[in-house]
Amino acid sequence: EVVLTQSPATLSLSPGERATLSCRASQSIHTYLAWYQHRPGQTPGLLIYDASKRAPGIPARFSGSGSGTDFTLTISSLEPEDSAIYYCQQRNNWHTFGQGTRLEIK
Amino acid sequence: QVQLQESGPGLVKPSDTLSLTCTVSGFSISSGYYWGWIRQPPGKGLEWIASLYYTGSRYYNPSLESRVDISRDTSKNQFSLRVSSVTAADTAVYLCARIGSPDYWGQGTLVTISS
Repeated sequence: EVVLTQSPATLSLSPGERATLSCRASQSIHTYLAWYQHRPGQTPGLLIYDASKRAPGIPARFSGSGSGTDFTLTISSLEPEDSAIYYCQQRNNWHTFGQGTRLEIK
Repeated sequence: QVQLQESGPGLVKPSDTLSLTCTVSGFSISSGYYWGWIRQPPGKGLEWIASLYYTGSRYYNPSLESRVDISRDTSKNQFSLRVSSVTAADTAVYLCARIGSPDYWGQGTLVTISS
């Protein structure tokens, strides 16, 4: 069973700053990783799939990188609406999620 | 436009079986993609429960596999979830989704386990 560990648990940054979120897999998942944004009261929204491909309609300030066991979601210039919980999801075998990173915009 | 809608009882008694159905419109569940169930207990994160590939193959979260069954009715373009021997820990918002890119989600349905 693949376990995904996200860090940090919470991130508090100001608008315009850069956010770096990490997701580590317990074994190689190649590039079968997705990132979701989950705002309160909404359904999760796909940001990134296959580790680095932006989903349709996602702004260019969101980017993903990594392969094997280490992955990163970068938000280059934060906006107030980026406040949310971000989950990584592995799609190598099954579809398990990490525990999430809460991003707060000051 | 692909749309998914969960349906099922909002209240289930402990030790009973929870049954939910996801009705899909705008895309055939036998044409492609994975179709999955995810849940979010109150105050907690997302937990993947099970997925159904368009070919009919089934995949389960190992921690839930002994109590969970995912199935489909292609004539109705629906897929379903059954969770047996439920406890209060199974109280959650249950969501169905098409997993892929783009992905689509239902709005979710709250299921409470209580006597």
